[in-house]
This record gives sequence, structure tokens and C-alpha cells, in this order.
Amino acid sequence: DVKVTQSSRYLVKRTGEKVFLECVQDMDHENMFWYRQDPGLGLRLIYFSYDVKMKEKGDIPEGYSVSREKKERFSLILESASTNQTSMYLCASSFSAGNQPQHFGDGTRLSIL
Amino acid sequence: QKEVEQDPGPLSVPEGAIVSLNCTYSNSAFQYFMWYRQYSRKGPELLMYTYSSGNKEDGRFTAQVDKSSKYISLFIRDSQPSDSATYLCAMGQGGSEKLVFGKGTKLTVNP
Repeated sequence: DVKVTQSSRYLVKRTGEKVFLECVQDMDHENMFWYRQDPGLGLRLIYFSYDVKMKEKGDIPEGYSVSREKKERFSLILESASTNQTSMYLCASSFSAGNQPQHFGDGTRLSIL
Repeated sequence: QKEVEQDPGPLSVPEGAIVSLNCTYSNSAFQYFMWYRQYSRKGPELLMYTYSSGNKEDGRFTAQVDKSSKYISLFIRDSQPSDSATYLCAMGQGGSEKLVFGKGTKLTVNP
């Protein structure tokens, strides 16, 4: 089975802090994704990466950056956390063979105070 | 017009009922279609994956795609309380690694 592991289930940080969310997948997937999920807004893509050191902006990249130094690991960085970044953050991965489903981790519920 | 429309519900049914969940879409380039199940405080879990029009069955679940009407459905037979979750439809087009998700329908199956 595909395993996508997010380092924290719950995280509380303060405004202005730099926040790191980590995601690891064990299926040798080329693609990795970061989403945020908010009530009434659904899943929104922040960034995705199609290879090591490669990244592409999603629909809402402002205030976020990403890092992919190894194939299995994809990090989301909140440069200076703000209260409007309080959300559920979901990581996903997929093969790049085309038409492939994404597999999700269990999410990190992040609260910015 | 939004790319993918999904009725948010909530939908409440008695145990044993047949459940029908639906999504409509506007982009005729979508070629592959998925249904995800998301339990509270968990990530979405892939339930069904279909490529092209037609039906696909897996146990109590049937996914149906009608490309001519731009309409997809998920049917759950003999629904159980353990089916209570939010169901997300998702779709993608060839040449793109990204998926477009519906906002989800919250289902409650009452014992």
C-alpha cells in the first residue's frame, strides 16, 4: 500500500514564525503535492513538484514556499505565518505516468495564533 | 461556471439504503475520474478510479461516468454506518498531473 506520512498531525505556531511541514512517501512517486483544505472551499493546490528540485505554483502559492531535495520528501514552508494560514494541510503523491490518482497523507492541522 | 460542481449535502440516510453521489463538470478534456472518501480528521482515501465512460464496480461501490453529459456518480449499496464520511470527486486530463476536486458531499448513514 502507498504510504504518505506527514510529520505532525497537529501544530500550533505564532504569527510571524517560520513554519516547516514535512511529507515523506515510500512509493518512489515522481510527483508530490501540497494542498490546504478549508470548510466551504474544498482542496486548494498550493505547490507541486514533479521531480527533485523542481516545483510549480498551484492556485494559492502566496505566503508559501517548498523544498524537494530528495525524491521521497517534500517540505512546505510558511515564511512568516499569519492567522489566515490556519488550516488543514494535506500532502499527496502520484506517479508521473499520466492519468494517475493521487495518494494522500492524513494531514497536519495547523493553528496560527 | 465552476469546473467541477458537487452538492455539499449534508446527506443523511438510514442503514441499508442505496446512496447516490454526483458531480458535474464543464471541461470536456477530463479523461480520468476518481472518488475519494475522507473520514473526519483524516486525509482523503482513494475509493474508485475510472478512465473513460462506463461503470466500474467494487464490492458495494459502483462508479459511473457519462462523458456525453459531463456527469459522474458514485453508488453505495447496502450503506453502513461506517460509510459515514465526506466523499470527494476528482478528475484530471491527459498531459496534466494535477487533479480538480469537487468540494465534497458529507454523508451520514444512521443505524
